[in-house]
Amino acid sequence: DQQVKQNSPSLSVQEGRISILNCDYTNSMFDYFLWYKKYPAEGPTFLISISSIKDKNEDGRFTVFLNKSAKHLSLHIVPSQPGDSAVYFCAACRQLQGAQKLVFGQGTRLTINP
Amino acid sequence: NAGVMQNPRHLVRRRGQEARLRCSPMKGHSHVYWYRQLPEEGLKFMVYLQKENIIDESGMPKERFSAEFPKEGPSILRIQQVVRGDSAAYFCASSPSTGSNQPQHFGDGTRLSIL
Repeated sequence: DQQVKQNSPSLSVQEGRISILNCDYTNSMFDYFLWYKKYPAEGPTFLISISSIKDKNEDGRFTVFLNKSAKHLSLHIVPSQPGDSAVYFCAACRQLQGAQKLVFGQGTRLTINP
Repeated sequence: NAGVMQNPRHLVRRRGQEARLRCSPMKGHSHVYWYRQLPEEGLKFMVYLQKENIIDESGMPKERFSAEFPKEGPSILRIQQVVRGDSAAYFCASSPSTGSNQPQHFGDGTRLSIL
């Protein structure tokens, strides 16, 4: 029962161009969504989040878009930089009985080519 | 300004032994979460704790696994009688509260290898 899916295991983008990472979910009860970036042998680092009542949130080079009717969100990185090369995880959160469980996608490995 | 601290970073155990993983949350954070990541997969929720209380352990196997977050000291994830399938990366995360838009901050994980 994969409630959060990232269908692209990998993505390769040229430096300076836009990177678009996609994520689909099935549970309409999620309260908000997050993107994490992960380097090898390190823990996930929080990047940006969006509440389920919004459709866009922007922070510097990172923008997250949420399409609730399609149960789809995407992360845009522009311009892409070599340091952006990492695995990106989409996560969805539903607060239930005081718990804030994150449900993660499988991740997308982003490679930025010089 | 320490983040979430996990130790050890790597742990090797033989089948049947016990594994103890430790997590110290960020300063000021009273909510701790444990996740497990198998190779080439996303992180899977295991358990959520507050000081001296297990709030949600729905993602944790019923047998051999236990977790605690005592009044003093780090949170501990304990795996008894380990088996090969327990080999994974175990991540701890903490947050200051359960309010919306309070992202969880992760440690660098403990990589558990079972021989």
